[in-house]
Amino acid sequence: QVQLVESGGGVVQPGGSLRLSCAASGFTFSSYGMHWVRQAPGKGLEWVAFIRYDGSNKYYADSVKGRFTISRDNSKNTLYLQMNSLRAEDTAVYYCAKTAAAGTSYDAFDIWGQGTMVTVSS
Amino acid sequence: DIQMTQSPSSLSASVGDRVTITCRASQGISNYLAWYQQKPGKVPKLLIYAASTLQSGVPSRFSGSGSGTDFTLTISSLQPEDVATYYCQKYNSAPPFTFGPGTKVDIK
Repeated sequence: QVQLVESGGGVVQPGGSLRLSCAASGFTFSSYGMHWVRQAPGKGLEWVAFIRYDGSNKYYADSVKGRFTISRDNSKNTLYLQMNSLRAEDTAVYYCAKTAAAGTSYDAFDIWGQGTMVTVSS
Repeated sequence: DIQMTQSPSSLSASVGDRVTITCRASQGISNYLAWYQQKPGKVPKLLIYAASTLQSGVPSRFSGSGSGTDFTLTISSLQPEDVATYYCQKYNSAPPFTFGPGTKVDIK
């Protein structure tokens, strides 16, 4: 079945770095754009970053631009989020999500992972 | 950037009631609008895309409408399992892919 499994979350000090991974299975990963979305404790959903199916285009929320980098390895069916210069306000559950249609950058998110918690605290 | 607003922020209704949630975009987004349901402690789930198309497996009591800047999500007959927070999201050709602030629905 179609599945996304995130890993790499944890506790990190302010200013620190963390890399999240999202392992995909059950679909042709290299054909779909992928997103990261986060949710701070008790808050709503915040879109973080997007990468095109072939990695050629990347977009970021203003709140993470210059600090976070989205990437993918289509040979390993894996999506990544490199997070640098972390701040307390980056504390959240981070979800990876798949675009619903192949080959397009602009579509709804039809499959979500279970999320991985990132806590930024001294 | 286009801003997304939702109203109400929360509502309480009885089982069997018709429930309507409104989402408004600060600029026109055609029909590039999705609705998600997030039950407490769970992962968001896609309910509706393209403003009015029901995702496979979603009960038919859910429906969406609208285009341009004004959209609605309707639950025709509220069920106990519909207790959740509902988010709209725009995904047109201009990132960010902004979510609305959410509408929390519970049972009276």
